[in-house]
Amino acid sequence: KAGVTQTPRYLIKTRGQQVTLSCSPISGHRSVSWYQQTPGQGLQFLFEYFSETQRNKGNFPGRFSGRQFSNSRSEMNVSTLELGDSALYLCASSLRGPYSGANVLTFGAGSRLTVL
Amino acid sequence: AQSVTQLGSHVSVSEGALVLLRCNYSSSVPPYLFWYVQYPNQGLQLLLKYTSAATLVKGINGFEAEFKKSETSFHLTKPSAHMSDAAEYFCAVSDLGLTGANSKLTFGKGITLSVRP
Repeated sequence: KAGVTQTPRYLIKTRGQQVTLSCSPISGHRSVSWYQQTPGQGLQFLFEYFSETQRNKGNFPGRFSGRQFSNSRSEMNVSTLELGDSALYLCASSLRGPYSGANVLTFGAGSRLTVL
Repeated sequence: AQSVTQLGSHVSVSEGALVLLRCNYSSSVPPYLFWYVQYPNQGLQLLLKYTSAATLVKGINGFEAEFKKSETSFHLTKPSAHMSDAAEYFCAVSDLGLTGANSKLTFGKGITLSVRP
């Protein structure tokens, strides 16, 4: 069964631009989470979506947004890019909802964003 | 809020030697704990998880971890290191969000494991 698919894998943008990243979860998984990974800050939670609704949100500015579609696919958007937004953005899906406890996340390979 | 401490950023062992990667957590509620591994240019792969059942948890690739509440620790071990174990390892705790959702993970900084021939 196919894993979590993230597109694009690599992209380069300039400051001030915006970017949209896509995530297709494992078939049957309804919860999608996004994490940012940087050398300095490590892995940080961005947000989680379940049944097209944002259920949980990390401590990121409003420039970071996301959404989930009826087929559970998710996108995240970063507007007005800053140099510090350069990171690996990881998407993870899980079978159960956010209140189910001990939810096992399956991660995609990530989208590596470089902001120049 | 929960937190995770992984002391040291790099561990080097010889092939065949014991692997011990330390993880301490802080949590105000009984935690769910996880170890993930990340190989270069890949996402994170789950090694094992603790969900309040057995305190000694066995995972994939010969890894295991023991939950010790008195020490607030969840150290990862493997009796004999293999070259293919070289990767970055992350300990994580399930964190309660503002809405009460408990699937958000708080990760440690990660430890890079090197295996010498």
